[in-house]
Amino acid sequence: GESVGLHLPTLSVQEGDNSIINCAYSNSASDYFIWYKQESGKGPQFIIDIRSNMDKRQGQRVTVLLNKTVKHLSLQIAATQPGDSAVYFCAENMATGRRALTFGSGTRLQVQP
Amino acid sequence: DTAVSQTPKYLVTQMGNDKSIKCEQNLGHDTMYWYKQDSKKFLKIMFSYNNKELIINETVPNRFSPKSPDKAHLNLHINSLELGDSAVYFCASSQRRGQGETQYFGPGTRLLVL
Repeated sequence: GESVGLHLPTLSVQEGDNSIINCAYSNSASDYFIWYKQESGKGPQFIIDIRSNMDKRQGQRVTVLLNKTVKHLSLQIAATQPGDSAVYFCAENMATGRRALTFGSGTRLQVQP
Repeated sequence: DTAVSQTPKYLVTQMGNDKSIKCEQNLGHDTMYWYKQDSKKFLKIMFSYNNKELIINETVPNRFSPKSPDKAHLNLHINSLELGDSAVYFCASSQRRGQGETQYFGPGTRLLVL
């Protein structure tokens, strides 16, 4: 079936650097995308979302970019902090029809002090 | 103040036992979900209820039976537990908006079957 996948399983960055986490999706019918952060022992936590009619959305220290042509999603974290260390998931669904999220396999972000 | 809560947080049990996990959301959402996260961190939908009606039922063994007494609660009962059921089970909720919706997750229930 269609799936959402990530390019890198583990990303290690220095504190203060910018981080970029990538995600490829294959369902061209998807029109809503979400990034979640999962810390150890906790549930996924919403970070930022983007709809398919946009190509960029900014939050506090985070930016999501959507390239529908190549079905690619990225999460940029500015000035990465130790508290950003977690597993990051991209997820997608469609505004109509099946409402369950399809998750990618996750990228572990490790922030080195 | 917890938006989506689950009990218990940890569940250790023997093979063959029957157990239940409970979930409650106080966000006023109309849809609730159960996801399973395996040892490789992969999250997969199991069930979804909208206003107490089952709307998604993935290929899950019929030993798993969800039940929604009201739209704020979604429980998961598992019969005849097997080793392969060991995983983290997450409850989530969302509100139907017809334009994509964010799902909010509970803290998870860590099930270990011995």
